[in-house]
Formats: sequence, C-alpha cells, structure tokens
Amino acid sequence: GAVVSQHPSRVICKSGTSVKIECRSLDFQATTMFWYRQFPKQSLMLMATSNEGSKATYEQGVEKDKFLINHASLTLSTLTVTSAHPEDSSFYICSARRLLDNEQFFGPGTRLTVL
Amino acid sequence: AQSVTQLGSHVSVSEGALVLLRCNYSSSVPPYLFWYVQYPNQGLQLLLKYTTGATLVKGINGFEAEFKKSETSFHLTKPSAHMSDAAEYFCAVSHVYNQGGKLIFGQGTELSVKP
Repeated sequence: GAVVSQHPSRVICKSGTSVKIECRSLDFQATTMFWYRQFPKQSLMLMATSNEGSKATYEQGVEKDKFLINHASLTLSTLTVTSAHPEDSSFYICSARRLLDNEQFFGPGTRLTVL
Repeated sequence: AQSVTQLGSHVSVSEGALVLLRCNYSSSVPPYLFWYVQYPNQGLQLLLKYTTGATLVKGINGFEAEFKKSETSFHLTKPSAHMSDAAEYFCAVSHVYNQGGKLIFGQGTELSVKP
C-alpha cells in the first residue's frame, strides 16, 4: 500500500526558533500534498496545498511567511514553522495525492511543542 | 461552500452493540464523502468512501455507510462494536473525484467502547 511518512514525529523547541517538518511519499509520486493542523480534541484544519514545482496555496487566515512550504520533488514537501511561539504548538498532519489515481494518503503526524 | 456536521462529539457503546456515528453534509455540487478513523497521536486511516454508484458503501473493519441525498447524510454504522474500535472518527467531503481535492472535515466523534 501507499505510505506517507513524516519526520520528525515529535519535536520540542524554544520560542523564536524555526522548525522544519518533512512529508514524504515513500512508494509513489505525489504532485500535490496537503498540510493540516489539528488542535487537541478538534478536527483537522487545512493550512495549505503544496504543489510540486510551484508556490503553495494557503487557506484564508494562514500566514504564508510564518508557515513556509516547499515541494521540491514528487515525493517530498516540507513545512517550516518560522519563529515559533507557544501558540504554534499543535499536531501537524500531511497528506499526499498519488499521481497515478488521485488517491490521497495521510502521514502519521508531527507533534510540535514550543516552550 | 461545503461543510460537514457530525452530531455528537462523543458516543459511547457497549462491546457488541450497534455503532452509529452521524454525519450530515452541505454541498452545492455532487459530493464525494469519506469516513476516516484516527487513533491517538496517529494520522488518519480511510475507512470507506462514496464517490458514485451504490449508495451503501462497505469499508474496512466491518464498517459501512449509506449516502442519502434526500437527507444529506452519510452516517457510519457497524453492527457489533469491538474494543479496538475506540478511536476518533471524522467525516469529510470533497468535490473532486476520489480524494484528489481538498477535504473538508467534520468536527469529529470520539467513540468509546465499554466492556
């Protein structure tokens, strides 16, 4: 089956630092990846759509300079949380859309804690 | 605009009892509907999906859902709950075939299974 990985699975950082989260499709090519944010006991909120070779499309209210997205290849998208603050602490989940059939697969998530 | 409403943020059933998780959607175009399951600190796993054709959809782990256009509903059921079914369940809607487009998620329903 199609597998999407995220790295790291858990990260703790100090306020003001930047954190990079990787999302990889391990056995398929993905022209599009999606980044979601999930607060405890809440639903997933789409942050942005990442397209290979082009700029990401951000949802309303999401700061593009705060959450930098790079989709450098058909198997890798990265989300960088710049100058992180405690309110950025959350569970970040990516999904990848398989080029072959448009099927979408989710990664296991990254737990970010900003102290 | 599309939206999803899950009635009941928490549902508790006894082991062996019927599971019914409710989902209503709003969409101006024919919807594509999905149910996902999320275990603690993990990503999402697709249970089942409705795109076109048969309105009763069977998924993994004994779950099924019925698309009722007249009621704008896509409720999830399982005849007999198992302890391992305890998790968070999300209903989602998209307007693109399969899961190629953006997914709009409901608020989620936490299912507890009592021995």
